[in-house]
Amino acid sequence: KQEVTQIPAALSVPEGENLVLNCSFTDSAIYNLQWFRQDPGKGLTSLLLIQSSQREQTSGRLNASLDKSSGRSTLYIAASQPGDSATYLCAVPYYNQGGKLIFGQGTELSVKP
Amino acid sequence: GAGVSQSPSNKVTEKGKDVELRCDPISGHTALYWYRQSLGQGLEFLIYFQGNSAPDKSGLPSDRFSAERTGGSVSTLTIQRTQQEDSAVYLCASIKGGFGTEAFFGQGTRLTVV
Repeated sequence: KQEVTQIPAALSVPEGENLVLNCSFTDSAIYNLQWFRQDPGKGLTSLLLIQSSQREQTSGRLNASLDKSSGRSTLYIAASQPGDSATYLCAVPYYNQGGKLIFGQGTELSVKP
Repeated sequence: GAGVSQSPSNKVTEKGKDVELRCDPISGHTALYWYRQSLGQGLEFLIYFQGNSAPDKSGLPSDRFSAERTGGSVSTLTIQRTQQEDSAVYLCASIKGGFGTEAFFGQGTRLTVV
């Protein structure tokens, strides 16, 4: 059974800091891993999709890495801004559990001006 | 359309009433998910459609919940005899190529049962 864990649950940083969010998964046989952002009261916005054959994926100030063998992914946010404040979720699709996307519990990020 | 569209965006209903939630996926997307998120909680998987069929309905919380998808497009999630514990945000996501490709979520329907 696939389980996804995100650490830390919450993070508060001053504006301008670089930061790393962590995501771990128990079954390394994944197709891909997707990072999402969720603003309060809103739906999920896709940030990055990293395929199982990739090691990294970049979009602007965001960089996601994937290490399947160790069951880990990291989301690196460079030069954080108050507008980055949101909950960040990672998810993996898992065929053996009805095709569902298995989500972590999320990391709530607060970037202070 | 530009994105996944869910309607209504907000719904307040009395306990015991039936409600229908609608999801319009991105045009051409073959697969679709329903999730729900209770206040302050994580995402709870409800059901996954590949085309019009759902291989696994075990995520639906009770037999009061049902979902269908017709024409490989619009999906409706129906909750009969709503209870207060059904209050949550119901999220829909569509996927272009089926299982394992990028998922795009709608803004959700906030359901409040009073």
